[in-house]
Amino acid sequence: QSALTQPASVSGSPGQSITISCTGTGSDIGAYNYVSWYQQHPGKAPKVIIYGVSSRPSGVSNRFSGSKSGSTASLTISGLQAEDEADYYCNSYRGGLYVFGTGTTVTVL
Amino acid sequence: EVQVVQSGAEVKNPGEFLKISCQGSGYNFADYWVGWVRQMPGKGLEWMGLFYGANSETRYSPSFQGQVTISGDKSINTAYLQWSSLEASDTAMYYCATTRDGNTHWDNWGQGTLVTVSP
Repeated sequence: QSALTQPASVSGSPGQSITISCTGTGSDIGAYNYVSWYQQHPGKAPKVIIYGVSSRPSGVSNRFSGSKSGSTASLTISGLQAEDEADYYCNSYRGGLYVFGTGTTVTVL
Repeated sequence: EVQVVQSGAEVKNPGEFLKISCQGSGYNFADYWVGWVRQMPGKGLEWMGLFYGANSETRYSPSFQGQVTISGDKSINTAYLQWSSLEASDTAMYYCATTRDGNTHWDNWGQGTLVTVSP
């Protein structure tokens, strides 16, 4: 069961915007609006920051936004802050199970 | 408030049996799915399988089918992940996460259980 494809790393300066892509197939991202994104700081459990492609859980900064086009989902972080430095994983429903992306390390320069 | 608490770190020898747990509180276990996620050292997240509290339905990701067993006991709001014979390659952090049936995102996570398999 192959993972969704993400860039290994993305970097940006404080205040900038960055976008992380997540490419799947017509069996996962392309078939369902069930894409979620997770932020993981070193040594910590993942935390959901986007669900249902573009919805934010209560308490998550509105600097995080999500979108989808075809079989590719995207996470945008605007007004980049030092605390955003972490690993980010996309996740999609795929026929009764779920699949994560390969993960992207965000570095704040 | 929903809380998910996992059992503590384990150090085992190859070939040994292991069962780790994930206990929830603050919600009706029967209304929720529990998922198990593996994170090998320095690597990404991988879904291992799912457990549904209402009817004990279990689903395994293809890579983990036959390698582990997922189960649960709704009388104590607890899900389990077990290995009958550990290998060194099972060394990893294991997380459980929960989602209400009908949702498709995982909003409550355990703190993780570190499993180390070493002779």
